[in-house]
Amino acid sequence: DIQMTQSPSSLSASVGDRVTITCRASQDITNDLGWYQQKPGKAPKRLIYSASSLQSGVPSRFSGSGSGTEFTLTISSLQPEDFATYYCLQHNSYRTFGQGTKVEIK
Amino acid sequence: QVQLQESGPGLVRPSETLSLTCTVSRGSISGYFWSWLRQPPGKGLEWIGYIYYSGSTNYNPSLKSRVTISIDTSKNHFSLKLNSVTAADTAVYYCAREPPSGGVFDYWGQGALVTVSS
Repeated sequence: DIQMTQSPSSLSASVGDRVTITCRASQDITNDLGWYQQKPGKAPKRLIYSASSLQSGVPSRFSGSGSGTEFTLTISSLQPEDFATYYCLQHNSYRTFGQGTKVEIK
Repeated sequence: QVQLQESGPGLVRPSETLSLTCTVSRGSISGYFWSWLRQPPGKGLEWIGYIYYSGSTNYNPSLKSRVTISIDTSKNHFSLKLNSVTAADTAVYYCAREPPSGGVFDYWGQGALVTVSS
């Protein structure tokens, strides 16, 4: 099974900050990775697919990079509506989520 | 845009079978993979399995022995059965769509809380 290790598990940041979240896969998953945002009581929302493609309608301050085993989600300038939990997901073999990163207000 | 809606009992007794249905509206069920996922209270997300519109399935190995996913294209819905449930199966259950290319889980249902308790 492919394991996804996501870090950090939580972070505190201010509006306007640049935020970076990392996911590491236990084996090569090429670019079969997505990033999701989840707010309390809501279903996850896809932000990025195929490691670096921006989902239609998602603000351009969100970006994804990486391939193989190392992936990054970057929020270039954190906005108030971005405080949420973020998950990476691999779909190269079955589907496995990272443990999540909770982004909180500093 | 396509909408997904989970439905089914919110309370299931231990050792019994959890059954949920996901109805797809404003779009066709054909041509896509359809998944079930779950999230225990306060915890992360877990993929349960998917079904292709043709009926082929793929399940999470950790749940495979207890899971059945089926599809009814005439009714534009697909279903989940999870047998021999325990309290550890208490979770919000989501259905989601997987496009044939361009990643997975582009559309989600709102989620249905299922509690396993006597």
